[in-house]
Amino acid sequence: GQSLEQPSEVTAVEGAIVQINCTYQTSGFYGLSWYQQHDGGAPTFLSYNALDGLEETGRFSSFLSRSDSYGYLLLQELQMKDSASYFCVGGRDDKIIFGKGTRLHILP
Amino acid sequence: KAGVTQTPRYLIKTRGQQVTLSCSPISGHRSVSWYQQTPGQGLQFLFEYFSETQRNKGNFPGRFSGRQFSNSRSEMNVSTLELGDSALYLCASSPPSGRVSNTGELFFGEGSRLTVL
Repeated sequence: GQSLEQPSEVTAVEGAIVQINCTYQTSGFYGLSWYQQHDGGAPTFLSYNALDGLEETGRFSSFLSRSDSYGYLLLQELQMKDSASYFCVGGRDDKIIFGKGTRLHILP
Repeated sequence: KAGVTQTPRYLIKTRGQQVTLSCSPISGHRSVSWYQQTPGQGLQFLFEYFSETQRNKGNFPGRFSGRQFSNSRSEMNVSTLELGDSALYLCASSPPSGRVSNTGELFFGEGSRLTVL
């Protein structure tokens, strides 16, 4: 079946760097997106990789390797406000599929 | 620029009832998609509408339906509610050039939290 796998939880320290991985079990995704969702809030767009390689947007970077069916989100200079859930999202055959989300805990 | 607006924000229904949720997209966005979010299943795609036509559909039973109006506002309806339908229902809009599956950026509303008793 089609699925995107990501760790359920990750813990990191304020000011550090953290990487959230996403692997997918099917081919043919048009691209990989990342969203952030705070508790009780709406998901907000972070980045989109249409092609292989690294996309950088401020403290956030995202990477995609289609040959490895793998992507990741890199968050640098972590701040307490980055405590949230992060979803990788793939689009295929006119459907959109979400990973189950990674809960990021940040320690002071 | 106003964001995506969903109403109502919270509602409680009983089994067997039906519910209608509303979504107003960002001005100029013609694609509206709907999602169900639960702790167990995460975020799941329900359907997408574009120019008043359902363009894509996820794997949900026929009790889940939707429509889109000429002003791009969309509604989704769930009939014969079941306890398992309790969830946060999110609506998202995307720019005119995009399809849900390859647009990259979706703009989500705050959601409608449905509780079925």
